[in-house]
Order: sequence, then C-alpha cells, then structure tokens
Amino acid sequence: KNQVEQSPQSLIILEGKNCTLQCNYTVSPFSNLRWYKQDTGRGPVSLTIMTFSENTKSNGRYTATLDADTKQSSLHITASQLSDSASYICVVSGYSGAGSYQLTFGKGTKLSVIP
Amino acid sequence: EPEVTQTPSHQVTQMGQEVILRCVPISNHLYFYWYRQILGQKVEFLVSFYNNEISEKSEIFDDQFSVERPDGSNFTLKIRSTKLEDSAMYFCASSVGRALQETQYFGPGTRLLVL
Repeated sequence: KNQVEQSPQSLIILEGKNCTLQCNYTVSPFSNLRWYKQDTGRGPVSLTIMTFSENTKSNGRYTATLDADTKQSSLHITASQLSDSASYICVVSGYSGAGSYQLTFGKGTKLSVIP
Repeated sequence: EPEVTQTPSHQVTQMGQEVILRCVPISNHLYFYWYRQILGQKVEFLVSFYNNEISEKSEIFDDQFSVERPDGSNFTLKIRSTKLEDSAMYFCASSVGRALQETQYFGPGTRLLVL
C-alpha cells in the first residue's frame, strides 16, 4: 500500500531560524514528489515538484531535496518568517496504470514560527 | 492570478440529505479533481475527471458520490445521502494536463458538516 510518512508531526521555531522537515515514502512506481503549504482552513499551495532525476529544487526560501534510492525527501526553510506558519504536506505521485497518476498525501508537519 | 473557486465555503446538512458542492476550475485547465480532508487527518483523493468522464476514483468514491461538469465552467460533487462520516473539508483542484510535473491548483475548500 502506498504510504507517505512525515516528521516531525509539529515544530515550533523562532522567527529567523532555519528548519528542516522530513518525508519518507513507499509509493511505487514513483512519478514525482511535491511539497505543499497549507494554511489553516485553506487549500494546499504547491511549493516544489521533483521527479526521479532531480536531487534538489528551490523556491525562494524553500529548498526541497529528494533521494529516490532511500525514498526520502526533505524541505528546508531558511530564515523563517511568521507567515511560514502552516502545515507542510509531502505528496507523492504514483503511476496507477493506463496513463493515470494518483497522489498520496502525508499527514503534514505543522510549523509554528513565533516572534 | 487565476484561481480555483468553491461554493459554498461552509455547508451544514442533516444526515440522509443530498448536498452539491460546486467548483469553478481555472479556465484553461482540462483536468479536475476532488479531495477531502477529515478534520485532523490527511488529504485523501476522491476522483479525477477529464473530457466529461471520470478518469479514476478511489475506494472512498462509492455510489453515494457523483461528479458532473454541467456547463463549461462548473464542476460539481454530489453526495446523494450524506452520512455523519462525510463531514470533512472538500477540496476541488484543477490542472492544465496530467503530465509528470503538472501542478494541481487547489480551491479554498468547502467545509461540510453532517448532523
């Protein structure tokens, strides 16, 4: 069964500090891995998408890494801001046959940035 | 910037009643999706829709659910006879295509409460 596990479940950091969120997956066959940011009560917003051949991808202060061999990904947030407070969701796309792909979501890491 | 919109933002209904959740995808997008998120749990895929037919669906999407694109802009999710466990946030999403690196754009969600 396809699964995506994220850690930590929640994290509190001081404004300006860096942090790293982890994602392990068992989705097969793998298509791509996405990180989403979800503000409370809102829909997820895409941060990065990485395919099998990509090791790292940046989007401003967000940098995602992917190790397809160990099936692990991380999201590094640099110089955190109060507005970074949200849930960060790791989503893995797996090929489900006949040209179709299905997304498997992790439970997310709830990040709180405090002044 | 174009965005996915959803109505209503909140819906309260009695168990056994029918509800219709509405979505307006981004205008040039061809693929449409419904997801749900039970409070405190991860986002779950329900169904994807392309060319006026369901392209794939999850185990959750049983006979009580149906989707429709009644006109050129709206995309609806109907729950025929709601159950208490249908209470969740329902997200609509759309994408231009179904390629490996397509971004799915999520709407703000409809919070459904079944009493």
